[in-house]
Amino acid sequence: LAKTTQPISMDSYEGQEVNITCSHNNIATNDYITWYQQFPSQGPRFIIQGYKTKVTNEVASLFIPADRKSSTLSLPRVSLSDTAVYYCLVGDMGGATNKLIFGTGTLLAVQP
Amino acid sequence: EAGVTQFPSHSVIEKGQTVTLRCDPISGHDNLYWYRRVMGKEIKFLLHFVKESKQDESGMPNNRFLAERTGGTYSTLKVQPAELEDSGVYFCASSQGALGQYFGPGTRLTVT
Repeated sequence: LAKTTQPISMDSYEGQEVNITCSHNNIATNDYITWYQQFPSQGPRFIIQGYKTKVTNEVASLFIPADRKSSTLSLPRVSLSDTAVYYCLVGDMGGATNKLIFGTGTLLAVQP
Repeated sequence: EAGVTQFPSHSVIEKGQTVTLRCDPISGHDNLYWYRRVMGKEIKFLLHFVKESKQDESGMPNNRFLAERTGGTYSTLKVQPAELEDSGVYFCASSQGALGQYFGPGTRLTVT
């Protein structure tokens, strides 16, 4: 399964757009890219998933370049409640196993 | 729609005792997963059920851990006998297909 690399932490202010980039140089053809958000004392929460180009939902956008070796999670106009750890994961969701491999994630701290 | 629920939310037991954790997946989700995070480490995959069958149990640490999913609905994870290093947060997740795993709040296990 592909290994991911993302910044350990990021700081932002309320109302700003935040972009968190994840590197996955060894991504395989069948791998999808998934982002999760985790608050303290809670389980990870699914945010968005994509395979290529751009995916957008009511929470975030996911940008994936043509080579798929990286991806960027974009959070528009963050608020204090967006302070959390964000995980980027890649995996073959249609393969024999769907296990998710979590890295250290990115701790996003949103300040007023 | 109810999310993934886990019981208990917190369990404190002594070394050598037995503990059983329960997970109720989202109704209709055939896939059920167990993960855990031990202190200071990343979230690690334990195993994956498809209905009542174990699809992948490559992450189970040793034979003191027994997971079951009789009837393909809720699942239990038993630790017997518990050791100090088993302390951590145990997460359960479920999914309908291969995409988008939804996590429960976790069970915090403390072995003293």
